[in-house]
Amino acid sequence: AQSVTQLGSHVSVSEGALVLLRCNYSSSVPPYLFWYVQYPNQGLQLLLKYTSAATLVKGINGFEAEFKKSETSFHLTKPSAHMSDAAEYFCAVSETGRRALTFGSGTRLQVQP
Amino acid sequence: EAGVAQSPRYKIIEKRQSVAFWCNPISGHATLYWYQQILGQGPKLLIQFQNNGVVDDSQLPKDRFSAERLKGVDSTLKIQPAKLEDSAVYLCASSGETGVGFFGPGTRLTVL
Repeated sequence: AQSVTQLGSHVSVSEGALVLLRCNYSSSVPPYLFWYVQYPNQGLQLLLKYTSAATLVKGINGFEAEFKKSETSFHLTKPSAHMSDAAEYFCAVSETGRRALTFGSGTRLQVQP
Repeated sequence: EAGVAQSPRYKIIEKRQSVAFWCNPISGHATLYWYQQILGQGPKLLIQFQNNGVVDDSQLPKDRFSAERLKGVDSTLKIQPAKLEDSAVYLCASSGETGVGFFGPGTRLTVL
């Protein structure tokens, strides 16, 4: 069975500050890991994915995530927050590239001016 | 490239009524998923189709929920009869060869 834990349901940062959203996973096989972003009243948009290639994955909008097998983590970071980054962020895991995703409970990011 | 289309976007019904949601995936995507997203939670898989066959429906409440994808393209999700706890956003997603899921805008269901 696979599962995802996102630490912190709400994160607030100042504009220009570092963004760090935490994700830990459990999987019985090498996982595929994803970060999605959801803006109000919209569907989920893929930010980035890890599929066993490079452990540091770069995504859209300046986000990146690092896969750390020893820590079973896949934390999402962005060096400098922008007001437009305010949204809900979901970490997800899949045991293969062709099965459905198991999502975490989400982290709502607020960006203060 | 057109995205995943869903309709309606919003639906309000009384409990014990029936409701149906429609999804049109990205052209050429063989895999289609329906997820349920309850307020404050992450999406949870209801059913996964590969072409017109069911891959995983283990979390679908089959006493009230049904889904079909008859021609391997469009899909319909039905709830009959609806309960208060079915109030949620129903997300459709599709994926092609890369396995990456592309999500539609969702249908927000309110059951009164």
